[in-house]
Amino acid sequence: AQKVTQVQTEISVVEKEDVTLDCVYETRDTTYYLFWYKQPPSGELVFLIRRNSFDEQNEISGRYSWNFQKSTSSFNFTITASQVVDSAVYFCALSEWNSGAGSYQLTFGKGTKLSVIP
Amino acid sequence: DTGVSQDPRHKITKRGQNVTFRCDPISEHNRLYWYRQTLGQGPEFLTYFQNEAQLEKSRLLSDRFSAERPKGSFSTLEIQRTEQGDSAMYLCASSKDGGYYEQYFGPGTRLTVT
Repeated sequence: AQKVTQVQTEISVVEKEDVTLDCVYETRDTTYYLFWYKQPPSGELVFLIRRNSFDEQNEISGRYSWNFQKSTSSFNFTITASQVVDSAVYFCALSEWNSGAGSYQLTFGKGTKLSVIP
Repeated sequence: DTGVSQDPRHKITKRGQNVTFRCDPISEHNRLYWYRQTLGQGPEFLTYFQNEAQLEKSRLLSDRFSAERPKGSFSTLEIQRTEQGDSAMYLCASSKDGGYYEQYFGPGTRLTVT
């Protein structure tokens, strides 16, 4: 089973529409961390947000917002009034304790490719 | 402060050749990670360093792969006797101590094995 499942493989929206990217994760840990990264066509992964498992407050940053729900193991990402520059692949990632390695390990989902059409 | 840098950005090599990639992390970051990313997939963890110590290696890292971080600053990833299956984007990332900190990624080295 995938530890991080990004529900949509590809999404296309028209500029100014709102769009939500869904992420479902699986872990047995009580302490873990969730991340979203953006990978534009240039290829460099850009950090967007980190959330720890004890903080279920939703967060808003400009046109971006994140909804974290432990009850459904989801960490969804919404872009409001999308713009062409939002076109990219977005990755959700889970950091959990790897007892074998004695450290936290980051596992990425397969990504959601978002295309914003002008 | 500059971000994570990687060199070269692109590498084309023939099967069986050895290649080496370099990563320069953000200067105050003690942790350095290597990932591999193939088309349509998220980055997959290969190995990481805490300062100069290599603390974990993925099963993806075969014996043909070796990584070093000799002085706890830059790191190199070497692939010996390259195979076509090694073709991928190799990403380097760095972070502060503690796996809960966000990792900052470099632009990657795209390897093509012909």
